[in-house]
Amino acid sequence: QKEVEQDPGPLSVPEGAIVSLNCTYSNSAFQYFMWYRQYSRKGPELLMYTYSSGNKEDGRFTAQVDKSSKYISLFIRDSQPSDSATYLCAMGGNNFNKFYFGSGTKLNVKP
Amino acid sequence: GAVVSQHPSRVICKSGTSVKIECRSLDFQATTMFWYRQFPKKSLMLMATSNEGSKATYEQGVEKDKFLINHASLTLSTLTVTSAHPEDSSFYICSARDYPRPDSPHEKLFFGSGTQLSVL
Repeated sequence: QKEVEQDPGPLSVPEGAIVSLNCTYSNSAFQYFMWYRQYSRKGPELLMYTYSSGNKEDGRFTAQVDKSSKYISLFIRDSQPSDSATYLCAMGGNNFNKFYFGSGTKLNVKP
Repeated sequence: GAVVSQHPSRVICKSGTSVKIECRSLDFQATTMFWYRQFPKKSLMLMATSNEGSKATYEQGVEKDKFLINHASLTLSTLTVTSAHPEDSSFYICSARDYPRPDSPHEKLFFGSGTQLSVL
């Protein structure tokens, strides 16, 4: 079983839609949860990070962590064509010497 | 957010030459940096973990003599692809681990912009 599972998509939505991106994980010791956006041939850009459980909101983006279910989500409200990219989830913790990544979900927001 | 600078962004070289890629953390000290390789439409593949002042830890299947990593300071790690061949052509990305500090209480990971290596 992979440490982190993420649906690769592609996910295609119309402009203005609410997008839900998800990852599941197997290791209950993860403490840090991050979402990255990666445009083609660019390095991943940190969008959101969450420590332990709970929600965090930043503009149109909301990150949720449910540690009991080992499930994390990223919601994008009022999606824009410029949101079209690959979204990667990542997680780690104090007792880990590296971070674990999902495979990335490719999102296409159609104008 | 913290900035990680990676250079060059693109390099084209002849087979048999060596190429050095630099990764710098600009506004924090990064005792740990990571090097990844990414193939088109694929996720990140961790190559090695670079720790300041010590030898890098390579992932299984990654040739340490082929991909030389040096992390001589708290803000700079370099990856040298030695005697590059066409099969080494790929997108290489570095990241730096930002450990908790007073003005940023939680650990985060920041990425460089990537280097597209093309070996002819």
